[in-house]
Amino acid sequence: AQSVTQLGSHVSVSEGALVLLRCNYSSSVPPYLFWYVQYPNQGLQLLLKYTTGATLVKGINGFEAEFKKSETSFHLTKPSAHMSDAAEYFCAVRESSASKIIFGSGTRLSIRP
Amino acid sequence: DVKVTQSSRYLVKRTGEKVFLECVQDMDHENMFWYRQDPGLGLRLIYFSYDVKMKEKGDIPEGYSVSREKKERFSLILESASTNQTSMYLCASSPHGLAGANEQFFGPGTRLTVL
Repeated sequence: AQSVTQLGSHVSVSEGALVLLRCNYSSSVPPYLFWYVQYPNQGLQLLLKYTTGATLVKGINGFEAEFKKSETSFHLTKPSAHMSDAAEYFCAVRESSASKIIFGSGTRLSIRP
Repeated sequence: DVKVTQSSRYLVKRTGEKVFLECVQDMDHENMFWYRQDPGLGLRLIYFSYDVKMKEKGDIPEGYSVSREKKERFSLILESASTNQTSMYLCASSPHGLAGANEQFFGPGTRLTVL
């Protein structure tokens, strides 16, 4: 069965610092992996996704994530945080043969001035 | 640009009331989904539909039903609202195919409070 674990329900970084949001998954077959962002009082918006091929995936707003099969991880990074990055971030997984996406519990990112 | 709209942003209902949450998408997507979002629990799938008049139970269907009479519209129904159904409800849609890497497009959410 698929599952997603996001380490840290709340992460706080200073403006300009590295952002690292952690995501580990379990899947019995090669997965599709997603990161979504949710700004206050809004729905979810896709940041990036991994399907096949290159394991380093670039998304919107300067975010990227690397698929590491050996570590079953798909951590999200951004070199330099901006105040506008404050939001909740969800990692999600879908097995290639499955009909549903499984979401992690979310990580709230705060940016300190 | 894909747009998913939900009928209300905020809704307050009383225990025992029948509640309808409406979702409309304008991109001719086959698949539509209803989730509820609660702090610390992420998104949990209530029901989804992959075609008109078709529906599948998600992970937490108890206390809910759905209706999909037209391709663009997917309704979530709380037959008799209870306080434990106070939550944020998110609708999503995605293009054809149940599997694969098709992303889901989300509406803005409806924050439902049941008193």
